[in-house]
Amino acid sequence: RKEVEQDPGPFNVPEGATVAFNCTYSNSASQSFFWYRQDCRKEPKLLMSVYSSGNEDGRFTAQLNRASQYISLLIRDSKLSDSATYLCVVKGDGNNRKLIWGLGTSLAVNP
Amino acid sequence: GAVVSQHPSRVICKSGTSVKIECRSLDFQATTMFWYRQFPKKSLMLMATSNEGSKATYEQGVEKDKFLINHASLTLSTLTVTSAHPEDSSFYICSAYPGTGNTDTQYFGPGTRLTVL
Repeated sequence: RKEVEQDPGPFNVPEGATVAFNCTYSNSASQSFFWYRQDCRKEPKLLMSVYSSGNEDGRFTAQLNRASQYISLLIRDSKLSDSATYLCVVKGDGNNRKLIWGLGTSLAVNP
Repeated sequence: GAVVSQHPSRVICKSGTSVKIECRSLDFQATTMFWYRQFPKKSLMLMATSNEGSKATYEQGVEKDKFLINHASLTLSTLTVTSAHPEDSSFYICSAYPGTGNTDTQYFGPGTRLTVL
């Protein structure tokens, strides 16, 4: 089983749609969780951290379910500019600063 | 926010040559830097962890004699791809952790696209 698994997509949605991405991780001792966004041929950029209580940033909502080892990202009212690859990232336990990256989920928002 | 630069942004070289990529933290000191490689349509793969003043820690399967890492100062780490071959063509990205503050925050460089002919 991969350490971090995501559905690679692609997800093709119309502008204004709501889209949800899911991610599972294998190490139950993982401490921190993130969603990154990566545009084609660019470096990844942090979208948001994911907390057990769930967190929201504008149109983006992230949730973590530790019992199921599952992370989600919800994007509401999709914009054309949301088209990108969304990477689920898990940080190891303890003082391990290494990030474990999912393959990414490709999103295309169409006019 | 913190800025990390990489140089060069793009390099094309002949097979058998060596290529050096620089990663600099411009406005903070980075005790730890990471080097990643990303092939087309693949996820980022960690190559090595670079700690200032000590030897880099390489991930399994990454040849340390081929990918030389030097973290000589708190603001600079270099990755040298020695005797490059076409299969080394990839997108190389570094990231840096500040020495203080939120230890979960990792800042990425813009990446270096290497093409080996």
